[in-house]
Amino acid sequence: NAGVTQTPKFQVLKTGQSMTLQCAQDMNHNSMYWYRQDPGMGLRLIYYSASEGTTDKGEVPNGYNVSRLNKREFSLRLESAAPSQTSVYFCASSQGRNNQPQHFGDGTRLSIL
Amino acid sequence: EDQVTQSPEALRLQEGESSSLNCSYTVSGLRGLFWYRQDPGKGPEFLFTLYSAGEEKEKERLKATLTKKESFLHITAPKPEDSATYLCAVLGGGSYIPTFGRGTSLIVHP
Repeated sequence: NAGVTQTPKFQVLKTGQSMTLQCAQDMNHNSMYWYRQDPGMGLRLIYYSASEGTTDKGEVPNGYNVSRLNKREFSLRLESAAPSQTSVYFCASSQGRNNQPQHFGDGTRLSIL
Repeated sequence: EDQVTQSPEALRLQEGESSSLNCSYTVSGLRGLFWYRQDPGKGPEFLFTLYSAGEEKEKERLKATLTKKESFLHITAPKPEDSATYLCAVLGGGSYIPTFGRGTSLIVHP
C-alpha cells in the first residue's frame, strides 16, 4: 500500500532548465494537490485538481504548470527553472469535498543553481 | 479568509514532561480540523480529524481537543521519538482546500 509516490526524490537543475515532477496515488482519491514548503513559510499551494480533468491555481502558481494525466497521476512542470523555485515540493491527495484529510508523499527536494 | 495560527513555533521538552500545542483558527463554517506530524525529510503524516467543538481524539501519547476557536494537541509523558513538527489545518465552508498553520517544532530530550 504505497499511498502517494513522488519522483524524483532529489534534483539539481541549472537556471533555465525544465523538468517535470511526478506524483501518483493508489487510494482512488478524487483530488490532488501540489505544495511547496520553504523555511518559515509553511506549506503553500501551487495548483490543485479537484477531480480528473480539472486543474486550478493555488496561492503561488507563477512559473509552474500541471497536468492531471488520469485519476492516479498529477504532474508539476517547471518550464524555465529559477533559483526562487528552490524548495521542497509535496504532492497530496484526498477524497475532496467529503472533508477527509490529505495524504502526502515524501517530497521532491529541488535545488536550482 | 480562513486563518490558522500555531503556537509556540518551537518547544523543547524533557522526556516525560507533558505539554500542549495550540492551533487557533478563524474559519467560516468549520468542516474539519486536521493534525499532522512531519518528520525531517518526510511528508506530513495524518494524525487526527476533529469535526465539532467538544470532540476529542487520542492516539498513544497524543490527545487532540477542539473548541470553537482553537484546538490543542496534548502530549503526555513524551518520548524522544515524539520529536517532529506538528501541523494543524482547517477546512471550512464549501472549500476542499485546507488552510495550514506554520507548525510547531517539538524536540523531546532524553
